[in-house]
Amino acid sequence: EADIYQTPRYLVIGTGKKITLECSQTMGHDKMYWYQQDPGMELHLIHYSYGVNSTEKGDLSSESTVSRIRTEHFPLTLESARPSHTSQYLCASSESVPNTGELFFGEGSRLTVL
Amino acid sequence: AQSVSQHNHHVILSEAASLELGCNYSYGGTVNLFWYVQYPGQHLQLLLKYFSGDPLVKGIKGFEAEFIKSKFSFNLRKPSVQWSDTAEYFCAVNAVATGFQKLVFGTGTRLLVSP
Repeated sequence: EADIYQTPRYLVIGTGKKITLECSQTMGHDKMYWYQQDPGMELHLIHYSYGVNSTEKGDLSSESTVSRIRTEHFPLTLESARPSHTSQYLCASSESVPNTGELFFGEGSRLTVL
Repeated sequence: AQSVSQHNHHVILSEAASLELGCNYSYGGTVNLFWYVQYPGQHLQLLLKYFSGDPLVKGIKGFEAEFIKSKFSFNLRKPSVQWSDTAEYFCAVNAVATGFQKLVFGTGTRLLVSP
């Protein structure tokens, strides 16, 4: 069972709407991540966080923003959604010690922007 | 920059057939290697991992993978697949020397096992 939760699982919205994808983990992990996954493509890292009040851009440029006010919570926000934002967004976390890189994933949020 | 190549995008097998999925990575230093699996409608979960030691690692559900450093490869194998192995399989690499651990994933291989 995953201890990392994402809501909503599915979201269909119109262009221009503001949306927030929620991600929470109960494992006490310092590091958290957002990946973007499109069919037939590799997972692309769009944001990550070392810990509270730390956020960094990932390898793939994204118009989304993230915040990390609490260890367990790492929400992703799109201020004005566009059809190009249609994708699946995966949240993950990992331990700092040992620092192996093993990620624990949530079930994903599938976003469709009309 | 690191990259991961999975050469088989779609694989179709009959039950009891043997499976081998290729994974190659580009990074000259020390790596941690992973195979993740995503069953239909479920989240990505760890299948197996290599950090150090014996290059032949065993994971859940009868899967194994062999790390061949000279070939920069970490191929996934299973002697006899089952219908329940139908899923998407992702290879991932983490370059240990780069400090903050960021997994780089391959494009995934979609496996369909017919009963």
